[in-house]
Amino acid sequence: DGGITQSPKYLFRKEGQNVTLSCEQNLNHDAMYWYRQDPGQGLRLIYYSQIVNDFQKGDIAEGYSVSREKKESFPLTVTSAQKNPTAFYLCATRVGQTNYGYTFGSGTRLTVV
Amino acid sequence: AQSVTQLGSHVSVSEGALVLLRCNYSSSVPPYLFWYVQYPNQGLQLLLKYTSAATLVKGINGFEAEFKKSETSFHLTKPSAHMSDAAEYFCAVRLTGGGNKLTFGTGTQLKVEL
Repeated sequence: DGGITQSPKYLFRKEGQNVTLSCEQNLNHDAMYWYRQDPGQGLRLIYYSQIVNDFQKGDIAEGYSVSREKKESFPLTVTSAQKNPTAFYLCATRVGQTNYGYTFGSGTRLTVV
Repeated sequence: AQSVTQLGSHVSVSEGALVLLRCNYSSSVPPYLFWYVQYPNQGLQLLLKYTSAATLVKGINGFEAEFKKSETSFHLTKPSAHMSDAAEYFCAVRLTGGGNKLTFGTGTQLKVEL
């Protein structure tokens, strides 16, 4: 079945550590997005990529980094510079230039301990 | 800039009652609007979308939404609530410009009571 796989589902990080969240898709979608979700704040865009080897900052990119070396993969690294990384992270894809909305992965819950 | 506002962070209805979740948008151009549903610890699932083809949009699970330009609204409704409808609902608008980005409202948590 085609879909988006986010791993791990739960992740614990010590303060000062970098961690990488995985997002893999087999939908052959061009664009990929990372959102952060906090209670009562909805979803906020971190980074997005429309094609391989290209990505742009979203609204809250500080303390995060991404890469897009393959069409299928868009990993997100949460660096030690992100002051409040505890959140639910969602990866999404969009097919072409249509307006069919996004397809979402099942998310990764990151907790700093 | 485009944005959406969801009125009411929590809505409670009885099983079998009408569900009404409110969303107002702000856009200087004809908007593309979406409703998503999220169950606990899961991703978002598309319920329905408005892309100017018809003002009354039918979605999955018996939900529908009506685009009203005069009221800048895109409220989500369902005639009869079911226990399985309990979830968080997000309204979103597509932003113009590069990236076809979506901006989301802050969400409405729907509780369905017996």
